[in-house]
Amino acid sequence: DQQVKQNSPSLSVQEGRISILNCDYTNSMFDYFLWYKKYPAEGPTFLISISSIKDKNEDGRFTVFLNKSAKHLSLHIVPSQPGDSAVYFCAASARGEYGNKLVFGAGTILRVKS
Amino acid sequence: DTEVTQTPKHLVMGMTNKKSLKCEQHMGHRAMYWYKQKAKKPPELMFVYSYEKLSINESVPSRFSPECPNSSLLNLHLHALQPEDSALYLCASSQSENYGYTFGSGTRLTVV
Repeated sequence: DQQVKQNSPSLSVQEGRISILNCDYTNSMFDYFLWYKKYPAEGPTFLISISSIKDKNEDGRFTVFLNKSAKHLSLHIVPSQPGDSAVYFCAASARGEYGNKLVFGAGTILRVKS
Repeated sequence: DTEVTQTPKHLVMGMTNKKSLKCEQHMGHRAMYWYKQKAKKPPELMFVYSYEKLSINESVPSRFSPECPNSSLLNLHLHALQPEDSALYLCASSQSENYGYTFGSGTRLTVV
């Protein structure tokens, strides 16, 4: 049972345009959401996060939107740059009795064309 | 120091070998994690250590044995692995009440 879903395996965007990556989740106990970026042969790098008490968080070119009623979040990258080409993982976290636990989506490959 | 260091970066081992993966962080993080990532799949949680105690074991086979000797080190001991265990093994750490996971670059393991 996939609790975090990224339904678009890949996305191709022209340099300078907006990239929108989407993520859906099913577990209402998730209270924190994160986006990670991953290059080949490297570990995931934290990008931006959002708490369930907010609906938007912005950091430079990156903005994450959260729609709790729809159990949906999205990552907007504006403007997109060729260096943004990577795999983007959405992750969700819930505090459990035994500690935090991150659940990752399947990832979306973003290709930014120059 | 804001990194999680994993060694070795690459490992090839036979099915009868015993090897260990190492992970180290000096950020004062009290939670450390092992994840496994197969090609074109998301990272999957294996183990969580919180304050040097194993707090989550995601039904991982006993041929994988984690160890946390101190708050900065995390090991994963491997024995009698199968070829399907070949994957990228990622270590991560975080503050106990903080969601800022920091990942290492991983160990690329190949079982032959």
